Amino acid sequence: GQNIDQPTEMTATEGAIVQINCTYQTSGFNGLFWYQQHAGEAPTFLSYNVLDGLEEKGRFSSFLSRSKGYSYLLLKELQMKDSASYLCAVTDSNYQLIWGAGTKLIIKP
Amino acid sequence: DTEVTQTPKHLVMGMTNKKSLKCEQHMGHRAMYWYKQKAKKPPELMFVYSYEKLSINESVPSRFSPECPNSSLLNLHLHALQPEDSALYLCASSPAAGADTQYFGPGTRLTVL
Repeated sequence: GQNIDQPTEMTATEGAIVQINCTYQTSGFNGLFWYQQHAGEAPTFLSYNVLDGLEEKGRFSSFLSRSKGYSYLLLKELQMKDSASYLCAVTDSNYQLIWGAGTKLIIKP
Repeated sequence: DTEVTQTPKHLVMGMTNKKSLKCEQHMGHRAMYWYKQKAKKPPELMFVYSYEKLSINESVPSRFSPECPNSSLLNLHLHALQPEDSALYLCASSPAAGADTQYFGPGTRLTVL
């Protein structure tokens, strides 16, 4: 079966750094996406990894290890507006997007 | 312009009503998607259109009927819905179906009474 695991909820402090992990077991792999979703709003694209390594984009970075079936999203200099759900999604061998359940990130002052 | 628009933003309908959700993108994307999302759950894929042809229908009940009039527009026709169909309905588009990044519209919050 296809499975993507991420923590259900995480809490961090404003100004700090947080790492959200995602592990996946899918039938094939054609890329991994991270999306941010604020409550009641649509998912917003954050990052895409298809090769191993770190992709940096401002305060956000995403890492991929295909051999380990593992990715993380790193958020630096946390701001209150970063409070949201973060969804990990993998494109499988049939080019279907498989979604994780999302990690709710709570930022405290 | 990376915008996908959806109308209406909110919709309340009875179980005997017929309504339609609309989605539009002008990014030249050739793949468009309908998703259903319940609270605290990830999006569930309903339909995929690729080059204006239905390529994936994820065993969705016939009370949901998609339509792709042209490469920029995607509709979802609703008829005889059930209260459990209440959810956020998201439209997305991507350059092509497959591994391309999907860009989401703001969604339609549907309530079925």
